[in-house]
Amino acid sequence: GAVVSQHPSRVICKSGTSVKIECRSLDFQATTMFWYRQFPKQSLMLMATSNEGSKATYEQGVEKDKFLINHASLTLSTLTVTSAHPEDSSFYICSARRGTNTDTQYFGPGTRLTVL
Amino acid sequence: AQSVTQPDIHITVSEGASLELRCNYSYGATPYLFWYVQSPGQGLQLLLKYFSGDTLVQGIKGFEAEFKRSQSSFNLRKPSVHWSDAAEYFCAVGNPNNAGNMLTFGGGTRLMVKP
Repeated sequence: GAVVSQHPSRVICKSGTSVKIECRSLDFQATTMFWYRQFPKQSLMLMATSNEGSKATYEQGVEKDKFLINHASLTLSTLTVTSAHPEDSSFYICSARRGTNTDTQYFGPGTRLTVL
Repeated sequence: AQSVTQPDIHITVSEGASLELRCNYSYGATPYLFWYVQSPGQGLQLLLKYFSGDTLVQGIKGFEAEFKRSQSSFNLRKPSVHWSDAAEYFCAVGNPNNAGNMLTFGGGTRLMVKP
């Protein structure tokens, strides 16, 4: 149990376009989902925390108008990179957590975004 | 603020040898502690976690970790490494008092296994 999927796994787009990444919890309801960004050979940096039905909480330095997060249901959160630029190229990973604060985050396989 | 340090960026061990990956954290009380493994181009898989209780935690794939409060450490160990263990390993801390239970990750340790 506790499987998280992401779609697409890899996307290449032109500069200026918007890209949507989906994160789904397949076999549990995720009250909270997290979005991380990982640059090559670096660690994961939390971008934002989203709770179902409410606005996402963004980490300092993350532009909320640039990275739109929607947590429309207990099994789906989406990250939209608006007007993408080459510096947005990165590996984006989501995680999902079941209800309690003591529970574990389960990670998706990641989405590789390349902006040309 | 919580922080995590993994002092070793790269470690190379021979197959069959023992392994210890270091993790030190900074937090005012006892945090939640995790070890994750990441294969190239993949997401993270949870190896083990510590919330409370027994300070020696058993995980998947033969890994274990020991929480040492006096040293603010949560080192990961495996008695005999297999070639398939080559990957990136991340230690992470979570704040029990944070409603969102945000994780802070260490910089990672890349493990290479020699045949």
